[in-house]
Amino acid sequence: GDSVTQTEGQVALSEEDFLTIHCNYSASGYPALFWYVQYPGEGPQFLFRASRDKEKGSSRGFEATYNKETTSFHLQKASVQESDSAVYYCALGDPSSGSFNKLTFGAGTRLAVCP
Amino acid sequence: DPKIIQKPKYLVAVTGSEKILICEQYLGHNAMYWYRQSAKKPLEFMFSYSYQKLMDNQTASSRFQPQSSKKNHLDLQITALKPDDSATYFCASSQDGATNERLFFGHGTKLSVL
Repeated sequence: GDSVTQTEGQVALSEEDFLTIHCNYSASGYPALFWYVQYPGEGPQFLFRASRDKEKGSSRGFEATYNKETTSFHLQKASVQESDSAVYYCALGDPSSGSFNKLTFGAGTRLAVCP
Repeated sequence: DPKIIQKPKYLVAVTGSEKILICEQYLGHNAMYWYRQSAKKPLEFMFSYSYQKLMDNQTASSRFQPQSSKKNHLDLQITALKPDDSATYFCASSQDGATNERLFFGHGTKLSVL
């Protein structure tokens, strides 16, 4: 079945540091890839999406590029702020799986940014 | 104001009992979903509904039954509760359920089964 692997369980940075959170996927079809962010006490919020190879998704200074060759969709931000502290989820939607708009999520990466 | 309302926010239940988790969305969406998040597993898809019709069920147990009484409602009934059911249950919606639409999530109901 489809799966998403996020390498880092936790990341600790200082403000203005560069962020990379790694995401690799496995899917039988040609999935769409997503990043969601979850703040304490809330549900996940859509960050952005990419649907085809080499497409870049971006929002709020975060970006990721769909790479079919390496099956990756790594999240990056050039300069993090304390307000970026949250849990980040990589997810995939695979229409060829036969399910109705089901998202498969990674385990999440907790980002802590210190002032 | 939250556009997806989940009630209650916290729920404590005893093993073997039955509970209903409430979800209402005011986004005008036609597709609704339930996801579960536990300490042991990441966000896990449970059900999807489109125009009040069940489209997909990825829950192995029949103890979990979604109920859609209105277009913007999707409740989740859980019977014969077990401690393993302890998790946060998220309701979500999307415009039409088109492939790879973005999902909007509620704040969740945290269920603890003792």
